[in-house]
Order: sequence, then structure tokens, then C-alpha cells
Amino acid sequence: NAGVTQTPKFQVLKTGQSMTLQCAQDMNHNSMYWYRQDPGMGLRLIYYSASEGTTDKGEVPNGYNVSRLNKREFSLRLESAAPSQTSVYFCASSGLAGANTGELFFGEGSRLTVL
Amino acid sequence: GESVGLHLPTLSVQEGDNSIINCAYSNSASDYFIWYKQESGKGPQFIIDIRSNMDKRQGQRVTVLLNKTVKHLSLQIAATQPGDSAVYFCAENRHSGYSTLTFGKGTMLLVSP
Repeated sequence: NAGVTQTPKFQVLKTGQSMTLQCAQDMNHNSMYWYRQDPGMGLRLIYYSASEGTTDKGEVPNGYNVSRLNKREFSLRLESAAPSQTSVYFCASSGLAGANTGELFFGEGSRLTVL
Repeated sequence: GESVGLHLPTLSVQEGDNSIINCAYSNSASDYFIWYKQESGKGPQFIIDIRSNMDKRQGQRVTVLLNKTVKHLSLQIAATQPGDSAVYFCAENRHSGYSTLTFGKGTMLLVSP
């Protein structure tokens, strides 16, 4: 049981390049999330998908797009990377949409550097 | 603006001591609070949660206390071990229905043998 799997783990981009971060969960969870974590700061929500077929903006959505490909997979795309997007990105999932629970299951993170 | 924050960025304790990590929140509408532990190079892991209709909840070696009067949350770790060394985040869930958490900045706990 792998939980939440993110790829790639590390990536270096040049300003203006595009890339997609992939996330998959095998826990049959309904909800999935993308967070970014910057040094000395907590995690900030970029986008989330409460259930398959829906996506919504979080606190810091600018410069990102997401796709909920199916129940298992939720990808994050940077169309034109900027140095301000250098960060560690975490994907997470939670089990019960409609249940007021904070128990998110996180992946190991994807460390992105934009030069 | 409303925020979730921590009083101490770093807490150093000796193995066997009890540790207390504090968190202040400002959104009185938040009804659910969570503590996460993040070890170096890993994603956050759920530790314990508490709802706003409670003031105390205990887990294995951990206790969360909620004081709604002063909007304060704390995590107590009993008999701290070196394996407890990590960054601890408090978070609040301002929405019902799904987990859109707002995280604090984190406190690093360092446990010396």
C-alpha cells in the first residue's frame, strides 16, 4: 500500500519552462490537494479537488493549473515557471468528502527549483 | 488578516522531558484543529485533532488542549524521545465538508539524548 505517490521528487527548470507534477493515491480517497511549502512557512493550499470531476482554487492558485484525471490522480501544472515558484510541493488526499476531518495523507513531496 | 501562528520557532528539550508546543489562532469561526508532525525530507503526518466543542483530547503520549477564550492551542508530548524531533504544525479547518486546512508556520522540536 503506497499511499500518496508524487513524481518527480526533484526537478530543476529554467524560467518560462513548463512542467507537470503528478500525484496518485491508492486509498480510494475522494478528495485531493496540492500544497506548497516555503522555508520558514507552513503549507499553503494551491488547489484542491473535493471529489472526482471538481477542482477549486486555494490560497495561492496563480501560475498553476490542475487536472483531476480520475479518482486516483491529481496533477499540478506550471505553464510558465517563475523563480517565485521554487518550493517543495506536497500532494495530499483525504477520505470522506462531507466529513469534517483534517486527516490528510501527504506524499513525500516534490522539490522544484526554477532558475 | 486572520492566521494560525506559533509562539516559538524552535524548542529544545532533553530526552524524557515533557514538551509543550503552542499555537495561537485568530479565526473564531474555526471549528476543528489539527496537529501535524513533519520529519526532515518527508510529508506531514497527522498526530491528533480536536473539535471546538472540546477543550482536551488525549492520544498516545500526546495531549491537545484548546482554550477558545484566548484562542490558543497546545500540543503536549510526554516523555519526549529523540524520534519526536521534527517540525510540528498546527492547522485549522475553517470549512465543513472537506479538509481545506490553513497551516501555521511550524515549530521545530529538537530532542537531545
